[in-house]
Amino acid sequence: DAKTTQPTSMDCAEGRAANLPCNHSTISGNEYVYWYRQIHSQGPQYIIHGLKNNETNEMASLIITEDRKSSTLILPHATLRDTAVYYCIVKDWLGSSNTGKLIFGQGTTLQVKP
Amino acid sequence: GAGVSQSPRYKVAKRGQDVALRCDPISGHVSLFWYQQALGQGPEFLTYFQNEAQLDKSGLPSDRFFAERPEGSVSTLKIQRTQQEDSAVYLCASSLGGTSSNQPQHFGDGTRLSIL
Repeated sequence: DAKTTQPTSMDCAEGRAANLPCNHSTISGNEYVYWYRQIHSQGPQYIIHGLKNNETNEMASLIITEDRKSSTLILPHATLRDTAVYYCIVKDWLGSSNTGKLIFGQGTTLQVKP
Repeated sequence: GAGVSQSPRYKVAKRGQDVALRCDPISGHVSLFWYQQALGQGPEFLTYFQNEAQLDKSGLPSDRFFAERPEGSVSTLKIQRTQQEDSAVYLCASSLGGTSSNQPQHFGDGTRLSIL
């Protein structure tokens, strides 16, 4: 079972920031938080990942709370092309609990509206 | 740059036929994963290779499913005696590191398999 919980759906106005929350209250010290998104008829696309520090790349920012029990993915200026299902996944980087497979939940369907 | 490539993009087969799905991972990537995605669901893990070694096949739903990666690069997922419940999108992902790595997995666009 997925170790994360996310809202089923969210709306965002085009040009505004999209803030997608994720709860992972049982995360362990060896687990990273990964975010992927999946646009219709495509494979999941890697967005960003982090362990405990906030991370930023050209696509998004990842804010992880100090206790690491939740995180937020921020798309700073959402466009219509950001409409997708967003998955938050925790994964053990040591490979001690599994062989690095990703366990997907239902994700959040983000609808960006004009 | 070249990403993960899967072929065919679509496959239609009659129930009982055998099918073979191909995955070309990113060059140099050690790890290769297969996932199955049913309509409206998130992907589910099938099997994992580190180079040519199949280290985890716990997600394969039955002995009709077989995967190989003989030279540690291209992988093939074979399904024998297909059944209607095998209809799904089959996704392949690769990553640079092995199991003890935080490197992300990069996915292909999948093969959509329809069993009639």
